[in-house]
Amino acid sequence: GQNIDQPTEMTATEGAIVQINCTYQTSGFNGLFWYQQHAGEAPTFLSYNVLDGLEEKGRFSSFLSRSKGYSYLLLKELQMKDSASYLCAVRDQDSGYALNFGKGTSLLVTP
Amino acid sequence: GAVVSQHPSWVICKSGTSVKIECRSLDFQATTMFWYRQFPKQSLMLMATSNEGSKATYEQGVEKDKFLINHASLTLSTLTVTSAHPEDSSFYICSDKAGQSYGYTFGSGTRLTVV
Repeated sequence: GQNIDQPTEMTATEGAIVQINCTYQTSGFNGLFWYQQHAGEAPTFLSYNVLDGLEEKGRFSSFLSRSKGYSYLLLKELQMKDSASYLCAVRDQDSGYALNFGKGTSLLVTP
Repeated sequence: GAVVSQHPSWVICKSGTSVKIECRSLDFQATTMFWYRQFPKQSLMLMATSNEGSKATYEQGVEKDKFLINHASLTLSTLTVTSAHPEDSSFYICSDKAGQSYGYTFGSGTRLTVV
């Protein structure tokens, strides 16, 4: 089994930077993913980390520390459309490589 | 990239009836499909892993006789919710198992409401 923890809610201002943290405990770590999900829709892939360090993709960056069981998603130059739920997911080889999700962080971007 | 087509997008059914949800891989062969369920303001919970040509693997606490999974071909996996009850009302979504570094592809999801 595994525990994946991330904050329930966050609020940030348009144009600002926000960091969403995720901690996990898993026996068969095989990668960490971040997804964006708008209400009632399917999750959309944002980023993937399997080695320690920072991965940058445009306004989004994701960091991983395997020894600490820690990741964060960094969103820069926030836009109103970034208001959504952000899901941290760990791929576990002991679970048949299924993704196991945290409860998600609901981000509200305000003017 | 990979595309997973899921139908129906939403369905309302009466308590006691059965509902079938389909997930098709449109441009690739999916030997494995994952099925998730998401209750309002909750995260996606893995229900079962569907394997082409063999029995599905169910997560602890998921009734295999209630949630029937069939993966008879490399492009189609189905989830049938049998004898549905209002507590089965949820968002059901499938994903493939492709893509090492670009994430699994999800279907568009099915909103099931049991009345």
